[in-house]
Amino acid sequence: AQRVTQPEKLLSVFKGAPVELKCNYSYSGSPELFWYVQYSRQRLQLLLRHISRESIKGFTADLNKGETSFHLKKPFAQEEDSAMYYCALRGIQGAQKLVFGQGTRLTINP
Amino acid sequence: KAGVTQTPRYLIKTRGQQVTLSCSPISGHRSVSWYQQTPGQGLQFLFEYFSETQRNKGNFPGRFSGRQFSNSRSEMNVSTLELGDSALYLCASSFGTDIYEQYFGPGTRLTVT
Repeated sequence: AQRVTQPEKLLSVFKGAPVELKCNYSYSGSPELFWYVQYSRQRLQLLLRHISRESIKGFTADLNKGETSFHLKKPFAQEEDSAMYYCALRGIQGAQKLVFGQGTRLTINP
Repeated sequence: KAGVTQTPRYLIKTRGQQVTLSCSPISGHRSVSWYQQTPGQGLQFLFEYFSETQRNKGNFPGRFSGRQFSNSRSEMNVSTLELGDSALYLCASSFGTDIYEQYFGPGTRLTVT
């Protein structure tokens, strides 16, 4: 079965502090992992995907197959990072089916 | 380029009725996926269409159905509405399948009374 777990529903950090949003997954094959973000009153949008291995808006995420994790990190949080973050998994080759975690609401305090 | 559009944006229906939601993908995109978002269950995959063919289906009862037209526009239908069908229904489009990024629409908020 495919499952994505985001253990923190809410996360609050101060501006300038490091941020880590946790994501663990369960999948028997080789999944593709994503982070999606939804800013207030905006659409859900892709933040990054593990296969591209790039940093977007200062965020990075490394796929750890041993720990089945794909944590999202940023060294210095900014107020504009406040949003809802979803970790998602795509397991079926050739499919657009995404399995989402429950999401973490990140609040950056000034 | 215009984004994914969904109509209507808000809908109120009564238990037992049926509803049809529409999704217009980004021009050139041939894949459309539908998701249901509720506070309790989060975002759950409903189905995926590519070139008018349903490629994948989530774990929803047969009351949930969909289709895709030759211009890639998609509709989903829910028959015999139940209170638990109240949700935000999101549509996402992508150029193709597999590696292509999905772009989400604003959603249709369905309330069943």
